[in-house]
Amino acid sequence: GAGVSQSPSNKVTEKGKDVELRCDPISGHTALYWYRQSLGQGLEFLIYFQGNSAPDKSGLPSDRFSAERTGGSVSTLTIQRTQQEDSAVYLCASSPSLNEQFFGPGTRLTVL
Amino acid sequence: GQSLEQPSEVTAVEGAIVQINCTYQTSGFYGLSWYQQHDGGAPTFLSYNALDGLEETGRFSSFLSRSDSYGYLLLQELQMKDSASYFCAVRDPWGSGNTPLVFGKGTRLSVIA
Repeated sequence: GAGVSQSPSNKVTEKGKDVELRCDPISGHTALYWYRQSLGQGLEFLIYFQGNSAPDKSGLPSDRFSAERTGGSVSTLTIQRTQQEDSAVYLCASSPSLNEQFFGPGTRLTVL
Repeated sequence: GQSLEQPSEVTAVEGAIVQINCTYQTSGFYGLSWYQQHDGGAPTFLSYNALDGLEETGRFSSFLSRSDSYGYLLLQELQMKDSASYFCAVRDPWGSGNTPLVFGKGTRLSVIA
């Protein structure tokens, strides 16, 4: 595809369940980023990948959050034992350069 | 760490000019970016300033003063479609290669007739 894609677009889950969010970056973009955005708020950085490695995991809010990237392409963000405070829009971005990031449409996660 | 300050809301009249300011406090600095986000949409890149001065792209301009740790986004000939949230973002100086951006909380611009 031409842009960053994310799936699912919406996810409703029960508290305590695990969820997996997927991001397909733009082909050729080596850097991939995950952010979280609560309603009306700014972007909270979670993690980024350069290739398949994640040099910085400090943004992950707890050990319930993990992410991986395989083949330098698709990335998954996994949230275990979801809590209501995890409800937010999870945005993925990929980058071809140091200055510009291309964002996907996001996954809206609702934890009941 | 880094912190960025920008007004939470701005209202301006269609056809007018509006300036959205951003001040930052960082231990290091590589550049200031601006992103636009419409309600329900994803952020889209507008501009990037690494050096002092004004960068112009059509109706939008972005300014940076590194000595003042300050920048702004200038929108001219405002249109209703410019109603959106605008985020400033600073490139974090640690790490190498594609370092992550630290975003401000955003300024919600409302353009009125």
